[in-house]
Amino acid sequence: EVQLVESGGGSVQPGGSLRLSCAASGLTVSNNYMSWVRQAPGKGLEWVSIMYSGGNTYYADSVKGRFIISRDNSRNTLYLQLNSLRGEDTAVYYCARSTIFGVVIYFDNWGQGTQVTVSS
Amino acid sequence: SSELTQDPVVSVALGQTVRITCQGDTLRSYYASWYQQKPGQAPVLVIYDYNNRPSGIPDRFSGSKSGNTAFLTISGAQAEDEADYYCSSRDNVVTRFAIFGGGTKLTVL
Repeated sequence: EVQLVESGGGSVQPGGSLRLSCAASGLTVSNNYMSWVRQAPGKGLEWVSIMYSGGNTYYADSVKGRFIISRDNSRNTLYLQLNSLRGEDTAVYYCARSTIFGVVIYFDNWGQGTQVTVSS
Repeated sequence: SSELTQDPVVSVALGQTVRITCQGDTLRSYYASWYQQKPGQAPVLVIYDYNNRPSGIPDRFSGSKSGNTAFLTISGAQAEDEADYYCSSRDNVVTRFAIFGGGTKLTVL
């Protein structure tokens, strides 16, 4: 059974930083496409970032240059470093296994999410 | 960037059939997936590749497509189907990967 467990969320002032973790079991992070998806309070879902199994990384325009996705293969863990945080980054952040081929993308396993609140 | 548009609220009588729509230009080129989200919980994939169900998803859930519109149909809606439903697809901008619709709140009466 696949389990993804996020941690590292919390409250931070604008301009601050946080590092989110997503510990995986039942799948190997380095063999999968792994994404971060966020959901602002009362709002819909927003794709944030993806790391390919080969190591390539991509970001939504809203976070490019501020967030960094990475992984630790020995810990089977995905990370998201959040820098220069803004109020609009306040959201629940989910990690999700992604499947991508051709005209298809979907997220078939999700963690429970971790709350990030950016406020002065 | 591209957009996916969903009706914000849809209701259905218990045991009846309901169709939730998702409209966007990207759906002419890319397959849709659908997610169910109940309050305080993570999203759950219910349909991928337009009309495939992950294991454990009841067969009353089905997907289809016409032109630039994707549909999620629930045949014989149950009380436990009351939830928010989101569609998703690739974005036309290759490096943006995925976009989501704004979500539809389904009420089962």
